[in-house]
Amino acid sequence: EVQLVESGGGVVRPGGSLRLSCAGSGFTFDDYGMSWVRQAPGKGLEWVSGINWNGDSTNYADSVKGRFTISRDNAKNSLYLQMSSLRAEDTALYYCARDRSSGYTAEYFQHWGQGTLVTVSS
Amino acid sequence: DIQMTQSPSSVSASVGDRVTITCRASQGFNTWLAWYQQKPGKAPKLLIYGASTLQSGVPSRFSGSGSGTVFTLTISSLQPEDFATYYCQQANRFPRTFGQGTKVEIK
Repeated sequence: EVQLVESGGGVVRPGGSLRLSCAGSGFTFDDYGMSWVRQAPGKGLEWVSGINWNGDSTNYADSVKGRFTISRDNAKNSLYLQMSSLRAEDTALYYCARDRSSGYTAEYFQHWGQGTLVTVSS
Repeated sequence: DIQMTQSPSSVSASVGDRVTITCRASQGFNTWLAWYQQKPGKAPKLLIYGASTLQSGVPSRFSGSGSGTVFTLTISSLQPEDFATYYCQQANRFPRTFGQGTKVEIK
C-alpha cells in the first residue's frame, strides 16, 4: 500500500523559515515524480512545486518561486520543501503527492498524504 | 500561466440527479486534464485523467470529456457519497493549476 506521511509543519513568524518532509513507502520511491500541493483554510487547491524522479528537474508556482526549494533523497525515500521568507498567505495545509505514472513530473496526482499544517503568524 | 475556471461554483442536487461540472482553460491544450474529488477533512482523490480516462476503482457513473479549452465532469446518477467538492487540474504546462472547485451539495 502506498503511503505518504508529511511532517515539519508548525507556527512560524512572517519572514521565517520551515522545512517540510514527506516519507514515502509501499512503492519504489525513485521511480516517481513528486509534488507539494497546498490548501489554505477553507480555500481550493494550489500546486506549489514538483520534482522529477532523480531531482534534476524542478518546477515552482509563481507565488513561491525564489522562496521555496523542493528536493528529494531517494536513499531515504523522502521529499522535502524548504520554505523561507514566509508570508501570512503561505498559511495552508501542505500535501505531498505522488504522480500517477512513473517517468512523469507533476502530471496527475494519484496518491496523497494527509497533509501538514503551516501557520504563518506573528 | 493557464487559468482554470470551473462552473458552477456550487450546485444543489438530489440523489439520482445527473450533475455536470464544466472547466474552462484560458489557453487551449489537448487532453492533459484531471478531475479530483475532495471530501471535508480528507485529501483529494483522483477520479479522471487524460480528460476522459477513469482512474481504477472509480465508479462508472463518473465520466469526463472535452479537449482544447472546455472540459466536463458528469456524474450520471448522484449517490450520497458523491457530495463533495470537485476540482479540475491541467497538466499541460508548468505551473500546474487547479480550478477553484465546485461544491456539490444536497438539495
